[in-house]
Amino acid sequence: DQQVKQNSPSLSVQEGRISILNCDYTNSMFDYFLWYKKYPAEGPTFLISISSIKDKNEDGRFTVFLNKSAKHLSLHIVPSQPGDSAVYFCAASALTGNQFYFGTGTSLTVIP
Amino acid sequence: DGGITQSPKYLFRKEGQNVTLSCEQNLNHDAMYWYRQDPGQGLRLIYYSQIVNDFQKGDIAEGYSVSREKKESFPLTVTSAQKNPTAFYLCASNEGWNSPLHFGNGTRLTVT
Repeated sequence: DQQVKQNSPSLSVQEGRISILNCDYTNSMFDYFLWYKKYPAEGPTFLISISSIKDKNEDGRFTVFLNKSAKHLSLHIVPSQPGDSAVYFCAASALTGNQFYFGTGTSLTVIP
Repeated sequence: DGGITQSPKYLFRKEGQNVTLSCEQNLNHDAMYWYRQDPGQGLRLIYYSQIVNDFQKGDIAEGYSVSREKKESFPLTVTSAQKNPTAFYLCASNEGWNSPLHFGNGTRLTVT
């Protein structure tokens, strides 16, 4: 039973435009959310996180938005660059435990 | 440089053999994790450990075993009881609750 879902397996965006990656979750106990970037045959790299007390967190070109009522979060990358091409995973955890639940990933391609 | 080291990067075994994957961290993190990634799927938790000499099963622990005798080391043994052992295995660590996971670069295990 997938508690964290990324319904778009892939996304293509032109260089310089905005990339929006989406993630939905089902467990209302989740209170900490993260985005990771992954290249093939490498481990995921942490990008940005947000706790449930916030609805937005920004770090350079990356912004994560959290909509708790909709159980939805999104990652915005502006402007998109070819080096952003990778698989992006969202993840969530609950304060009551130390387990992280991951989505199935979205493969982003930024076209030069 | 602090980080997580997984070795080897590629591992080949015959069916019926046990195999141990190494994970070492020098980040001084208390918690360590093992995840498995299969094509088209997210990362699934095998085992995690929040402190030395203690560990808990994740969602897919069957056919795997771990030990945590030292803070910096969390080896994973894939036993012959694991029905589909061929996968990409990722080790991670974090400081504790609501802190991001840091990943190693993974071990690709192929069992024939």
